[in-house]
Amino acid sequence: DAKTTQPPSMDCAEGRAANLPCNHSTISGNEYVYWYRQIHSQGPQYIIHGLKNNETNEMASLIITEDRKSSTLILPHATLRDTAVYYCIVRVLYNQGGKLIFGQGTELSVKP
Amino acid sequence: DSGVTQTPKHLITATGQRVTLRCSPRSGDLSVYWYQQSLDQGLQFLIQYYNGEERAKGNILERFSAQQFPDLHSELNLSSLELGDSALYFCASSVGLGEPYEQYFGPGTRLTVT
Repeated sequence: DAKTTQPPSMDCAEGRAANLPCNHSTISGNEYVYWYRQIHSQGPQYIIHGLKNNETNEMASLIITEDRKSSTLILPHATLRDTAVYYCIVRVLYNQGGKLIFGQGTELSVKP
Repeated sequence: DSGVTQTPKHLITATGQRVTLRCSPRSGDLSVYWYQQSLDQGLQFLIQYYNGEERAKGNILERFSAQQFPDLHSELNLSSLELGDSALYFCASSVGLGEPYEQYFGPGTRLTVT
């Protein structure tokens, strides 16, 4: 699986958009980009995933660059409850089961 | 609530002992994954089962074993416990295997080895 690079920490003001970057310059054509988050020792929570196109769901938006070497997770209106560690993961699905390889993630602090 | 349940929530035991952690996946999910989270190693994949069969292995120690039963619940057995095995153990489940299905994680079992 491709390696990802994320900033160790970020701050965001409550109500503002949080933009979390991820670099995955060695990503292969068949690898998906996934985002999970972990709130204070709870089980990680799935946020969103994508292959090439930008994706949006009720939680967030995922913007993947055209060359797929980086992506940005956008939380449009961050709340205090969004304070968590955010993990960007890239992985191939078939022939390798579905394991997730977690890096160190970005610790996002949403401040009032 | 992810729909994945794990028992017990907390477990305190002594070195050399053996424990069993239990996981019930979301209804309809066939894949079960086990992960270990320690302070120094972060979140690490241990093992995956799909419909009762082992499908993928990570850095799982030989002292650890797992199985998935016909009703799809899974157990992770940890034996000859060492202080370094103290960690949060998460179970996750997903619908399938080769598709881009998301994984749903349980609340975890916190194991403390003294």
